[in-house]
Amino acid sequence: DGGITQSPKYLFRKEGQNVTLSCEQNLNHDAMYWYRQDPGQGLRLIYYSQIVNDFQKGDIAEGYSVSREKKESFPLTVTSAQKNPTAFYLCASRRRGGGYTFGSGTRLTVV
Amino acid sequence: AQSVTQLGSHVSVSEGALVLLRCNYSSSVPPYLFWYVQYPNQGLQLLLKYTSAATLVKGINGFEAEFKKSETSFHLTKPSAHMSDAAEYFCAQVLYNFNKFYFGSGTKLNVKP
Repeated sequence: DGGITQSPKYLFRKEGQNVTLSCEQNLNHDAMYWYRQDPGQGLRLIYYSQIVNDFQKGDIAEGYSVSREKKESFPLTVTSAQKNPTAFYLCASRRRGGGYTFGSGTRLTVV
Repeated sequence: AQSVTQLGSHVSVSEGALVLLRCNYSSSVPPYLFWYVQYPNQGLQLLLKYTSAATLVKGINGFEAEFKKSETSFHLTKPSAHMSDAAEYFCAQVLYNFNKFYFGSGTKLNVKP
């Protein structure tokens, strides 16, 4: 079955460390997205990519970085510059004209 | 600027009662509109979508929503709530020629026995 796989499901980071969240899709979707979810704030867009080797900043890109070397993969790196990284991170993909398909999320906690 | 407003961060209904979750959009042109449901520690699942065809849209699990241009609304309803409907619901909009979705802040639905 096609879908989006996010890993790991839970991730713990020490302060000052960079961590990378994985997102892989086998839906052949061109566009991929990263959202951050905090309680009571809905989803906020971090980065998105419409095609391979191209990506754009979303509303809260500071402290994050991405790459899109393959159509299937869109990893998100949370850098030490992100001052409040504890959150639930959701990856999504979308075919042209369609809705989002979401992964099951990664919960990142700073310890 | 696009925005989506969900009225009521928490809604509580009794099992068997009507569910009404409110969503208002802000767009100068008719958008595409979506409702998603999220269960704890999971991703979002599409309930239904409006893409300028029929104004009354039926989705999964007995949910439906009506697009009302005059009210810029896209409220989600279900005639009879079930315990399994307890979750958080998100309304989202996108313009047809844009690639970014704009999400509301979410409404948590509690279903009482």
